[in-house]
Amino acid sequence: EAQVTQNPRYLITVTGKKLTVTCSQNMNHEYMSWYRQDPGLGLRQIYYSMNVEVTDKGDVPEGYKVSRKEKRNFPLILESPSPNQTSLYFCASSSLRQGSNQPQHFGDGTRLSIL
Amino acid sequence: RKEVEQDPGPFNVPEGATVAFNCTYSNSASQSFFWYRQDCRKEPKLLMSVYSSGNEDGRFTAQLNRASQYISLLIRDSKLSDSATYLCVVRENTGFQKLVFGTGTRLLVSP
Repeated sequence: EAQVTQNPRYLITVTGKKLTVTCSQNMNHEYMSWYRQDPGLGLRQIYYSMNVEVTDKGDVPEGYKVSRKEKRNFPLILESPSPNQTSLYFCASSSLRQGSNQPQHFGDGTRLSIL
Repeated sequence: RKEVEQDPGPFNVPEGATVAFNCTYSNSASQSFFWYRQDCRKEPKLLMSVYSSGNEDGRFTAQLNRASQYISLLIRDSKLSDSATYLCVVRENTGFQKLVFGTGTRLLVSP
C-alpha cells in the first residue's frame, strides 16, 4: 500500500530536549515536505526537499532542521524545542516526474506538545 | 492579504442540500489548483484537482476562474459523511512544487 508514515503520532516533551520526527514514503517520490498546522493559520511549509541531499527552507523554518540522506526518508529535527513549536505536523510527498499537477500525499500527522 | 482565502464557515446544511464553497488566490501566476478534504485531526486528502474547463467527480464539481482568480467547489446531495473541512490549495508557478493552503471551510451536514 502506498503511504507516508510518520512517527511518533503523539509526543509530549519539555523545552530544550532534542527530538526527531521521522517520515518515510514507499512511493519512490522525489519531493518531500514538512508542514505545521495551527488553528486559524492553515498548513505552513517548514522545509522541503526536491531529491536526495537537496533541501530548502519553506515559510517557517526557524527552529527546525531536516535531512534527506535517502530518497524514502525525510526526518524533521527540533534541536531545542520551545512551546511555540507545539503544533500538528504533517509530512507529505509527491512525484516530480509527471508534471505539475501531481498531488501531495500526506502522512497521518504528529501532534507535538512542548511544555 | 492572504495568498489563498476561504470563508472558514461553518456551513451548516441538511442532508440532500447543495452547497458551494469559493476560494480566492492572489498570485495570478499560480499553476495548479486542488481541493483537499480534512477530517478532524486527520491528514488532508486530495478530493479533486481543478481544471480550467471545470471538472466533475460524482456529486462534486470544481470550477476555476483564472480571470477573477477564484476556485469553487459544489457538492450536490450532501451526505452526513461529507462533514469535514475543505481546503483550497494552489500550486505556485515555481520550480519547487510549493503548495499554498487556504485555512479551510468547515462543512457540517445534519440529518
